[in-house]
Amino acid sequence: DVKVTQSSRYLVKRTGEKVFLECVQDMDHENMFWYRQDPGLGLRLIYFSYDVKMKEKGDIPEGYSVSREKKERFSLILESASTNQTSMYLCASTVRGVGNQPQHFGDGTRLSIL
Amino acid sequence: AQSVTQLGSHVSVSEGALVLLRCNYSSSVPPYLFWYVQYPNQGLQLLLKYTSAATLVKGINGFEAEFKKSETSFHLTKPSAHMSDAAEYFCAVSLNAGGTSYGKLTFGQGTILTVHP
Repeated sequence: DVKVTQSSRYLVKRTGEKVFLECVQDMDHENMFWYRQDPGLGLRLIYFSYDVKMKEKGDIPEGYSVSREKKERFSLILESASTNQTSMYLCASTVRGVGNQPQHFGDGTRLSIL
Repeated sequence: AQSVTQLGSHVSVSEGALVLLRCNYSSSVPPYLFWYVQYPNQGLQLLLKYTSAATLVKGINGFEAEFKKSETSFHLTKPSAHMSDAAEYFCAVSLNAGGTSYGKLTFGQGTILTVHP
């Protein structure tokens, strides 16, 4: 069965800390995504990657960066965490194609910044 | 650019009643459309997808959706609600890139479905 694994389900950090969220997929997918989910706002795309070492900004990249050193792993980095980054973070992956394949999601990381 | 609007952030039904969750999209090219479900403290799970074959699409757990181009809609239905259907539902659109696609999705704001006994 396909699997997207996020390293933590719950995480508590302090303002100003550098925070790493890790995501691993076992489906050999080219495309990987990081979303932020907040009540009433749906899913908003932070960054995505279409190949190793390649990345593109999504709709809300400010305050975040990403790293993709290996095909199966996509990391989201909060350079200096702030309280307004408290949220649910979802990672997803999909195969390269014409856009008709679904994204597969991890279970999410609920991040609290104190 | 494409967009998705889900009408109604909360829908409440009785167990056994019809479920109807509304989704309208905007796209400059023929779209691919998806419905996802999210149970509490979990990620999103694919319910069904429309990829330009049959306009009536059947998914998991008894859900189906009909693509109506003239109405730019892709509403999700289920004839008889179960308590286990209580969750948040998201409609999403992907561009038919006609070539290499990054698989980006644009999501609606979500609809929380409550099922009463």
